[in-house]
Amino acid sequence: AQSVTQLDSQVPVFEEAPVELRCNYSSSVSVYLFWYVQYPNQGLQLLLKYLSGSTLVKGINGFEAEFNKSQTSFHLRKPSVHISDTAEYFCAVSARTRGSTLGRLYFGRGTQLTVWP
Amino acid sequence: GAGVSQSPSNKVTEKGKDVELRCDPISGHTALYWYRQSLGQGLEFLIYFQGNSAPDKSGLPSDRFSAERTGGSVSTLTIQRTQQEDSAVYLCASSFLGTANYGYTFGSGTRLTVV
Repeated sequence: AQSVTQLDSQVPVFEEAPVELRCNYSSSVSVYLFWYVQYPNQGLQLLLKYLSGSTLVKGINGFEAEFNKSQTSFHLRKPSVHISDTAEYFCAVSARTRGSTLGRLYFGRGTQLTVWP
Repeated sequence: GAGVSQSPSNKVTEKGKDVELRCDPISGHTALYWYRQSLGQGLEFLIYFQGNSAPDKSGLPSDRFSAERTGGSVSTLTIQRTQQEDSAVYLCASSFLGTANYGYTFGSGTRLTVV
């Protein structure tokens, strides 16, 4: 089974500052990696995903993430945040291997990003 | 439909009562997942359907929880004899073919409160 660790439960930051939300995963197999965002009282929305190829992945709303296989990390970054980025962010991993659990996502506990004016 | 639809959006029930939560996935999505989101606990996997069968139900927390899917479409999650610890947001997601590389689409969830 996979496990996902989001090292920070809360990240406060001022508007227009850069931000990094950290994610590490533990898996003995090759994985797909994802970041989801959840705005208050809404479901989860896919922000970006790493499947293969370039380790730097760009997503919606100016976010990007870098897959680092040696460090088993997939940190999310944005160079300049807006107040509208205030939300909870979830890192998730799915195994590449076939099997009955193909497609099951393992989620981290989430990081609450709060952007202050 | 255009998205994953869950009903009801909010449910308050008395301890000991049974509840049914409904999920209507995106048309054509063969895979359907139920997750539970508790405050500060992240998302907890409950069960996965491929078509009408459930190859992975390892996340169901007790035998009070059951789920079914009919016609490869709508799914119902049933919680019998609800307890206060069942209070959470129950999220449903669907996926094309059940492979994560196609991505999940989540519904807005059902907030269950057991009083």
